[in-house]
Amino acid sequence: EIVMTQSPATLSVSPGERATLSCRASQSVSSNLAWYQQKPGQAPRLLIYGASTRATGIPARFSGSGSGTEFTLTISSLQSEDFAVYYCQQYNNWPQRDVTFGQGTKLEIK
Amino acid sequence: QVQLQESGPGLVKPSETLSLTCTVSGGSISSYYWSWIRQPAGKGLEWIGRIYTSGSTNYNPSLKSRVTMSVDTSKNQFSLKLSSVTAADTAVYYCARDTASGYYDSSGYPGYYYYGMDVWGQGTTVTVSS
Repeated sequence: EIVMTQSPATLSVSPGERATLSCRASQSVSSNLAWYQQKPGQAPRLLIYGASTRATGIPARFSGSGSGTEFTLTISSLQSEDFAVYYCQQYNNWPQRDVTFGQGTKLEIK
Repeated sequence: QVQLQESGPGLVKPSETLSLTCTVSGGSISSYYWSWIRQPAGKGLEWIGRIYTSGSTNYNPSLKSRVTMSVDTSKNQFSLKLSSVTAADTAVYYCARDTASGYYDSSGYPGYYYYGMDVWGQGTTVTVSS
């Protein structure tokens, strides 16, 4: 199983500032990585796939980068609605193999 | 637009089988992969498994011995059964659509471009308790 590790567990940032979230894979997943946003009481929402491609309707302030084992989600100028929990997900060798999620990073208002 | 709705008992007794159904509306269930994901209260996401509309499945190795998924294309539904449940199976259960497109490479081997779990149900809470 590929283990995904996200850091930090909690990130405190002020509105308008930049947030950088990290995700590390226990082995290379190439660019087979997605990011999801989850707000309290809601289902996750797809933000990024292919490590860097924004899903439909996702604002340009969200960007993803990385490949292999190291990935980053950057939110360029935080809006109030961006404070949530973010999960990375690897899908290497999809659909033959399982997918795994990171444990999440909670982005909170500073 | 496509919407997903989970349904099933909210309370299951220990050692019994959890059964959930996801109904797809606003679009066809055909030619997609469909996943189940769960989330214990205050914790992260755990992928349970996926099913294609042909009936082929992939399960999380940690749950494989207890999981069965099925699909009913005539009803635009797919289902999850998790046997021998314990309190550790208490969670919010989500169904989601896996979106991908297939291709054949220069050698004729099939491959997929995966676009993520782009549609999710609202989730249903299942509690395992006597």
